[in-house]
Amino acid sequence: DAKTTQPTSMDCAEGRAANLPCNHSTISGNEYVYWYRQIHSQGPQYIIHGLKNNETNEMASLIITEDRKSSTLILPHATLRDTAVYYCIVGSNDYKLSFGAGTTVTVRA
Amino acid sequence: DVKVTQSSRYLVKRTGEKVFLECVQDMDHENMFWYRQDPGLGLRLIYFSYDVKMKEKGDIPEGYSVSREKKERFSLILESASTNQTSMYLCASSARLAGNEQFFGPGTRLTVL
Repeated sequence: DAKTTQPTSMDCAEGRAANLPCNHSTISGNEYVYWYRQIHSQGPQYIIHGLKNNETNEMASLIITEDRKSSTLILPHATLRDTAVYYCIVGSNDYKLSFGAGTTVTVRA
Repeated sequence: DVKVTQSSRYLVKRTGEKVFLECVQDMDHENMFWYRQDPGLGLRLIYFSYDVKMKEKGDIPEGYSVSREKKERFSLILESASTNQTSMYLCASSARLAGNEQFFGPGTRLTVL
């Protein structure tokens, strides 16, 4: 599976959009981009995934560049409850999820 | 919403004890997974099951076994607990093997003394 690169940490103001970048320059054609988050002392939570097209659901939007070498997760209106570690994962359509270190996002009031 | 529950949030056991960790999901998912999470190592897959009575080894199966007698329940067994099995154990389920939209339980923090 392709590896991903994410910033170690970022801060965001409550109520503002949070844009979380992820680089995956070695992604192959059949690999998806998945985003999960893990709030302290809880299990990971699935957020969204995509292959080529941009995706949106009730939690977030996923923007994938045309060459698929990078993507951005957008939390449109961050709240304090969005403080978590966010994981960008690239993988084919199977069961294997490889969680790296992720980005620690702190939403500040 | 999918609900995945784990039998205990915290568990303390002694070296050599047999330990059972239970996981139940209520969405009729075919696939279930057991991971452990350790600082600096991320999540590592121990075992997964794609059907009742079916199981496959993940990346770190040594020292563990699993049981899936019913679709909704997946058990992780530590035959003889050791201190290096002190960890956070996470169960997950998904609707199909093709697809990584996995739903996780809250985790069990196991301490082996």
